[in-house]
Amino acid sequence: SQQGEEDPQALSIQEGENATMNCSYKTSINNLQWYRQNSGRGLVHLILIRSNEREKHSGRLRVTLDTSKKSSSLLITASRAADTASYFCAPTSNEKLTFGTGTRLTIIP
Amino acid sequence: KAGVTQTPRYLIKTRGQQVTLSCSPISGHRSVSWYQQTPGQGLQFLFEYFSETQRNKGNFPGRFSGRQFSNSRSERKVSTLELGDSALYLCASKTGEGTGELFFGEGSRLTVL
Repeated sequence: SQQGEEDPQALSIQEGENATMNCSYKTSINNLQWYRQNSGRGLVHLILIRSNEREKHSGRLRVTLDTSKKSSSLLITASRAADTASYFCAPTSNEKLTFGTGTRLTIIP
Repeated sequence: KAGVTQTPRYLIKTRGQQVTLSCSPISGHRSVSWYQQTPGQGLQFLFEYFSETQRNKGNFPGRFSGRQFSNSRSERKVSTLELGDSALYLCASKTGEGTGELFFGEGSRLTVL
């Protein structure tokens, strides 16, 4: 089944810096979604990018999608301590979302 | 609008027992999905229900079952619990068909002793 693989597994940066996370997948998709999870809590939807889109912005978030390379990236600009969380990509096809193991982002104050 | 509600939030069981978890989706949402999250395996898809019918199923043994009621509320049951079933179980709802945004509950943390 379709599943995203996030890279890196863990990332630590200073507050104010930009954070970039990558996602790769294997088969064709309808869209790709990114979610955030604070420790032990439920996931929160961040952004959805459709297969015919190349880039999308939402506040401090920028997502790119390259369907030829089957990859996506999530950029968080001007990071804040509150951005500390795990981030998951979810490539979606056939009405099914599957998640990888995520990228653990730590923002150092 | 109330969010996705999962009960109970925490529970402790012993091996061999069974457990039933409940999920109330956002009002108007007809699709409910269940995920199991463990440190080693990440988020694993269990199953999805839409209008009381199981639409998708993950690769899990028959000990894992679920159902959805006419009001879209869903229950997930695990019989004959094993230590490896200790996990955070997450429920998510969405409006209906298609691959739109999922709205997650806070989860039910199950510990099996």
